Amino acid sequence: DGGITQSPKYLFRKEGQNVTLSCEQNLNHDAMYWYRQDPGQGLRLIYYSQIVNDFQKGDIAEGYSVSREKKESFPLTVTSAQKNPTAFYLCASRVRTEAFFGQGTRLTVV
Amino acid sequence: GDSVTQMEGPVTLSEEAFLTINCTYTATGYPSLFWYVQYPGEGLQLLLKATKADDKGSNKGFEATYRKETTSFHLEKGSVQVSDSAVYFCALTYSGAGSYQLTFGKGTKLSVIP
Repeated sequence: DGGITQSPKYLFRKEGQNVTLSCEQNLNHDAMYWYRQDPGQGLRLIYYSQIVNDFQKGDIAEGYSVSREKKESFPLTVTSAQKNPTAFYLCASRVRTEAFFGQGTRLTVV
Repeated sequence: GDSVTQMEGPVTLSEEAFLTINCTYTATGYPSLFWYVQYPGEGLQLLLKATKADDKGSNKGFEATYRKETTSFHLEKGSVQVSDSAVYFCALTYSGAGSYQLTFGKGTKLSVIP
């Protein structure tokens, strides 16, 4: 089955640690996105990539980093510079106008 | 810039009630419009879409009509079920090379009680 796989589903981070969230797709889509979801705030764009080896900052990129070395993969690193990282993170890919989402990763700072 | 505004939630309805979730948009061009649904603890799934004015998207008993004159794309269902409890997002985007933008509303939480 084609789709987007995010892992892990739950992730716990200690203060000062960097953590990496995985996003893999086998849909052969060029465009991929990372969103952050907080209660009552909808989806906020962190980073997006339209092609391998290229990515752009979204609205809330501070404290996050990404890479796009392969078409299938778009990992997100939450760095220690992100002061409030507890949230639900969603990865998506896009073909033409339709977006496809992964199941999300819930990150909690402990 | 573009934006999407949805009615504030949460919305609580009894089973078999009629549902309307309002969505209006501001766009600089001629976007495609979408409704996505998010069940608890999951990602978003496409519910329905419309690509041009007066198009009606429909799926699983849900409908929405692209109204350019009122810049609206309201979601409706004639008889909701408990299984429809979820968060609903209205969204817009553009087709065409180089168009990356996906603009979402803040979401409307629907709870359907038996």
